[in-house]
Amino acid sequence: AQKVTQAQTEISVVEKEDVTLDCVYETRDTTYYLFWYKQPPSGELVFLIRRNSFDEQNEISGRYSWNFQKSTSSFNFTITASQVVDSAVYFCALSEANRDDKIIFGKGTRLHILP
Amino acid sequence: EAQVTQNPRYLITVTGKKLTVTCSQNMNHEYMSWYRQDPGLGLRQIYYSMNVEVTDKGDVPEGYKVSRKEKRNFPLILESPSPNQTSLYFCASSLIGPRETQYFGPGTRLLVL
Repeated sequence: AQKVTQAQTEISVVEKEDVTLDCVYETRDTTYYLFWYKQPPSGELVFLIRRNSFDEQNEISGRYSWNFQKSTSSFNFTITASQVVDSAVYFCALSEANRDDKIIFGKGTRLHILP
Repeated sequence: EAQVTQNPRYLITVTGKKLTVTCSQNMNHEYMSWYRQDPGLGLRQIYYSMNVEVTDKGDVPEGYKVSRKEKRNFPLILESPSPNQTSLYFCASSLIGPRETQYFGPGTRLLVL
């Protein structure tokens, strides 16, 4: 069964600190897709990254990086040198290839970056 | 500009009064979906549509209806709203399915009294 767990409900860090948001998933499929979305205080949902199950390379985009580890079924997201603008709710999501029509989201992690 | 639009953005209504939230996308996407967001529960899928005239239930479809008569539009219908449907609703679309990046509308905040 599909499942996405974001165990950290809320995190607060001081600006410029690094922070990692955890995402653990469950799936029986060998082919699946993982996503991270950001929801800033303004409320819209912004796509950050998509990763398929065959691509285990870590990804870096500026201050953002993602660590995909199939061995631990995790797709963690790290913000380096955090900034106040990073304050948001972050959602991890999973879509299975044999469930071509559904996607499941984690419950989200609310990140507070304190000035 | 490529976008997903939703209307209205905010709505206060009373129990039992039928309402429709519209969703439209201009990206020629096949897949469209509705979600509700509630505190502590994250985003939950209500209904989705793989293409025109094809819709299916998500995880929380009770009390909702949808239709997909045209590719660009995917309205969400609450025939008899109840207070437990007070929520933040998002419409989203993607090219062929949820394995692709979804583009979300701005959200509709609904309060049912």
